[in-house]
Amino acid sequence: EAQVTQNPRYLITVTGKKLTVTCSQNMNHEYMSWYRQDPGLGLRQIYYSMNVEVTDKGDVPEGYKVSRKEKRNFPLILESPSPNQTSLYFCASSPRPGTGDLRAFFGQGTRLTVV
Amino acid sequence: GEDVEQSLFLSVREGDSSVINCTYTDSSSTYLYWYKQEPGAGLQLLTYIFSNMDMKQDQRLTVLLNKKDKHLSLRIADTQTGDSAIYFCAEEGSGGYQKVTFGTGTKLQVIP
Repeated sequence: EAQVTQNPRYLITVTGKKLTVTCSQNMNHEYMSWYRQDPGLGLRQIYYSMNVEVTDKGDVPEGYKVSRKEKRNFPLILESPSPNQTSLYFCASSPRPGTGDLRAFFGQGTRLTVV
Repeated sequence: GEDVEQSLFLSVREGDSSVINCTYTDSSSTYLYWYKQEPGAGLQLLTYIFSNMDMKQDQRLTVLLNKKDKHLSLRIADTQTGDSAIYFCAEEGSGGYQKVTFGTGTKLQVIP
């Protein structure tokens, strides 16, 4: 079954304690992205990756890091989380443009609370 | 940067048509999308339209694009309670890479 898997689904942590949210896709997609969803703001892109070892900043990258060492995995790292990073996070993957397939697959979301 | 705007709420009666509107600012948009988010779930792609099209119909869904006014709409015919969800429009700019900007989302409530 084609899917994007995020872990954990829920996380409560304290300010400053480093954490990683994992994302894995089984569709051999080249493109992967991280978004955060906040009430009234919709989804905002944090980082995206066009392929292995190729990453770039989205609209709200401050306070986040990503890596793309393998095609299937795209972890989101918060080196020193702060309360303003409390949000619902989504990972997404999609084929590269030009393949004729525009479907983007989203993970189930990770609800992060930083206290 | 690009901006995509939607109204936050829409309430309709079961069986009526729903129209969800979206405006965007990027005139170089290539594709425009509609996603559905059910409670506690991720986003699911509903439909999309290429920027050189005016209309696309897919069963109960009709997408209208007015490129001159940068206005996109999603019409759901015969709205059902299962259509209750948050609907996001999104636009993908040109430039050889995928950078999608999402709207704020419209929460559709269907009244039985």
